[in-house]
Amino acid sequence: DIQMTQSPSSLSASVGDRVTITCQASQDISIYLNWYQQKPGKAPNLLIYTASTLETGVPSRFSGSGSGTDFTFTISNLQPEDIATYYCQQYDNLPLTFGGGTKVEIK
Amino acid sequence: EVELVQSGAEVKEPGESLKISCKGSGYSFTDYWIGWVRQMPGKGLEWMGIIYPGDSDTKYSPSFQGQVTISADKSINTAYLQWSSLKASDTAMYYCARLVVLNHFDYWGQGALVTVSS
Repeated sequence: DIQMTQSPSSLSASVGDRVTITCQASQDISIYLNWYQQKPGKAPNLLIYTASTLETGVPSRFSGSGSGTDFTFTISNLQPEDIATYYCQQYDNLPLTFGGGTKVEIK
Repeated sequence: EVELVQSGAEVKEPGESLKISCKGSGYSFTDYWIGWVRQMPGKGLEWMGIIYPGDSDTKYSPSFQGQVTISADKSINTAYLQWSSLKASDTAMYYCARLVVLNHFDYWGQGALVTVSS
């Protein structure tokens, strides 16, 4: 199985800050990586697929980059409604695997 | 509008069987994989398996192979996740989600909370 390691596991930032989350794959997954947002008590929501493609309707303050084993997810201007846990997910190989999640809080 | 609607919360005792459902609407149900994802209390997301309702091709995560059964009835646009003998460790929220070309999950059900307790 491909292991996905996210960091940090949690972070606290101020409104307007730039927030960066990293996801490292245990082997080369090309650009086969997605990012999801999960707000408390809700189902996950797709934000970015294929490493950097923004899902329709997702605000442009969210972005993703990377390839191979190292990926980055960025919120450029943190808003109060961005309080959530964020997960990466690889689809290079089955089983599909998720990162452990990054909980984002407002300072 | 694409929608996945899951069956309601369940409370079961260890050893009991259970089948939960996920009904799709607003799209061609037989043209997309449906996946199941577990989220244990306070924990992250775990992929359990997927089914292609068009031909019932099913793939399981090794972690869940033999522990659950995934099925689908394309005549009623519904996928299922079932257990033959529940354990306390099966207590979790279970989500179904539509998988686009074995790539990303673009639509999710609302989740079904399964509680297993004596």
